[in-house]
Amino acid sequence: DAGVIQSPRHEVTEMGQEVTLRCKPISGHDYLFWYRQTMMRGLELLIYFNNNVPIDDSGMPEDRFSAKMPNASFSTLKIQPSEPRDSAVYFCASSWLGNEQFFGPGTRLTVL
Amino acid sequence: AQSVTQLGSHVSVSEGALVLLRCNYSSSVPPYLFWYVQYPNQGLQLLLKYTTGATLVKGINGFEAEFKKSETSFHLTKPSAHMSDAAEYFCAVSAGGGADGLTFGKGTHLIIQP
Repeated sequence: DAGVIQSPRHEVTEMGQEVTLRCKPISGHDYLFWYRQTMMRGLELLIYFNNNVPIDDSGMPEDRFSAKMPNASFSTLKIQPSEPRDSAVYFCASSWLGNEQFFGPGTRLTVL
Repeated sequence: AQSVTQLGSHVSVSEGALVLLRCNYSSSVPPYLFWYVQYPNQGLQLLLKYTTGATLVKGINGFEAEFKKSETSFHLTKPSAHMSDAAEYFCAVSAGGGADGLTFGKGTHLIIQP
């Protein structure tokens, strides 16, 4: 298996622009997680899905952030409008039946 | 609610020496505990995990950790450090294993001196 796939790997955008991050979980996995990593706050859970249904979105920082999982093989995390403080590395992870979480390589987002 | 404290943002050891990375947790329910490693510009890789049962857990690359409930600790050790062990290490806790989000510590940067 190719593992968790994230795109793009790097994204540079200007303040106010819409940003969409994409994730393809490992085939057969039923849980999908979005995390954010910053120097100041470390690794934080943003939201997670089970069988494409959002279970806990309490970590989503504000209404500018939204996440969807239209099917078992694809999820998006959207920021609209983006702000410089959103600059971070965003990780997607997936797991099967509540076992080990496998992480993708991350998307490094820079908002100017 | 859960929380994780990793003592020491940077730990430096000589090649061949013992590696000890400290992790203390707080959890209102029996915890699932994890250690992940992150190499530069890469995602996180699971080193080992504790769910239930044996409190001494062995992982990949010669690492092991011991769950001590009385001390609320889950310290990571390796008898002999190798240069390739240089990386960022994260301790994490969850209430439901992989069926729940992970709460991470701030991480410990392990430096290996030749």
